[in-house]
Amino acid sequence: EVQLVESGGGLVQPGGSLRLSCAASGFTFIDKWMHWVRQAPGKGLVWVSYVNNDGSVTNYADSVKGRFTISRDNAKNTLYLEMNSLRGEDTAVYYCVRDSWGIDYWGQGALVTVSS
Amino acid sequence: QSVLTQPPSVSGTPGQRVSISCSGSSSNIGSGTVNWFQQFPGTAPKLVMSRNNQRPSGVPDRFSGSKSGTSASLAISGLQSEDEADYYCAAWDDSLNAYVFGTGTKVTVL
Repeated sequence: EVQLVESGGGLVQPGGSLRLSCAASGFTFIDKWMHWVRQAPGKGLVWVSYVNNDGSVTNYADSVKGRFTISRDNAKNTLYLEMNSLRGEDTAVYYCVRDSWGIDYWGQGALVTVSS
Repeated sequence: QSVLTQPPSVSGTPGQRVSISCSGSSSNIGSGTVNWFQQFPGTAPKLVMSRNNQRPSGVPDRFSGSKSGTSASLAISGLQSEDEADYYCAAWDDSLNAYVFGTGTKVTVL
């Protein structure tokens, strides 16, 4: 059974930093691209970033470019999102999402609240 | 930030057929496949249609999908109360080198 479990969310002040983790199980992690997708309260889904299977290729939404960094540790079956210079508009539930010929499985999400 | 356009809402009575459209461009829907997701309040999205028209295991056969050119659609026939949820389409965009999502459609069962 595919499982994606996010952790690391919480309340952070504007300008602060946070690192999200996503522990993957139930599939061969190194074979799959992975994504982060976020959803602000009451809003729709917004793609944030992706990393290819070996971590050599990444891309980011313009809204987070230069502030967020996606990475993965294939030995630990874990995906990360390092978030710096956080802003109020970054407040959202962040989902870890698997890509297997298209995005398919989602984690339960981690809530990040940016507020003073 | 949503590149794919969906109607904000659709509704129907139990047993009816409803359809949700998803309009994109040649760089996303026109050049690849579309997935559809169902989301209930407070929960993570769940895949209900893969690669335009492939139903994942466990998804009822009343759900069907299609794609033509730069548009796609998800149909629910024999609408049931448990189908009331938000639905999103998604596709890879070759120009943006990113995934793009639809604006989301709320399905209401009257």
